[in-house]
Amino acid sequence: EVQLVESGGELVQPGGSLRLSCAASGFIFSSYWMTWVRQAPGKGLEWVANIKPDGSDKHYVDSVKGRFTISRDNAKNSLFLQMNSLRVEDTAMFYCATHKDWSFDHWGQGTLVSVSP
Amino acid sequence: QSALTQPRSVSGSPGQSVTISCTGTSTDIGAYKFVSWYQQHPGKAPKLIIYDVNKRPSGVPDRFSGSRSGNTASLTISGLQTDDEADYYCCSFSGRFTSYVFGTATKVTVL
Repeated sequence: EVQLVESGGELVQPGGSLRLSCAASGFIFSSYWMTWVRQAPGKGLEWVANIKPDGSDKHYVDSVKGRFTISRDNAKNSLFLQMNSLRVEDTAMFYCATHKDWSFDHWGQGTLVSVSP
Repeated sequence: QSALTQPRSVSGSPGQSVTISCTGTSTDIGAYKFVSWYQQHPGKAPKLIIYDVNKRPSGVPDRFSGSRSGNTASLTISGLQTDDEADYYCCSFSGRFTSYVFGTATKVTVL
């Protein structure tokens, strides 16, 4: 059974940093593109970033370019999102998900990031 | 990277059919057969119900179907059931930005 468990979300001040983690199990992690999607409270889904199986290719939504970095450790079946220069508008539930071709077929339960003075 | 446009809400009685539209542009929906749909119940993670415009993942009932015409994709739910009451999001690959864009969400209400 595929399992994705996010962690690392917490309350942080504007300008601060956080590192989110996603622990994967139940599938061959090193064979799949992985993605981060976020959802602000009461709002819609927003794709944030994705990363190629070997980590050599990464893409980001414009609003996080230069501030967020996606990475992975295939030896530890883990996905990460380093978030710097956090803004109030980054407040959201962050989900990691596996790619099924050009869609996202398995999702974690999410980790909540709150950015507030 | 503007969000795809969906109606805010649709409703139907049990057993009826509802269709949700998702309008994009010639650089996302109009350019690629990479449209997916997600169902999200309150407080839960999204669930993939349609991928590649009209394919269903294993376990998703055939009451859910997808299509695409030009820059608009559609999700049809036939034989509406109470458990179908949820938020639904479309999503498309966007070649212009090598990224993905979600729709604005449609709340389906079962009357």
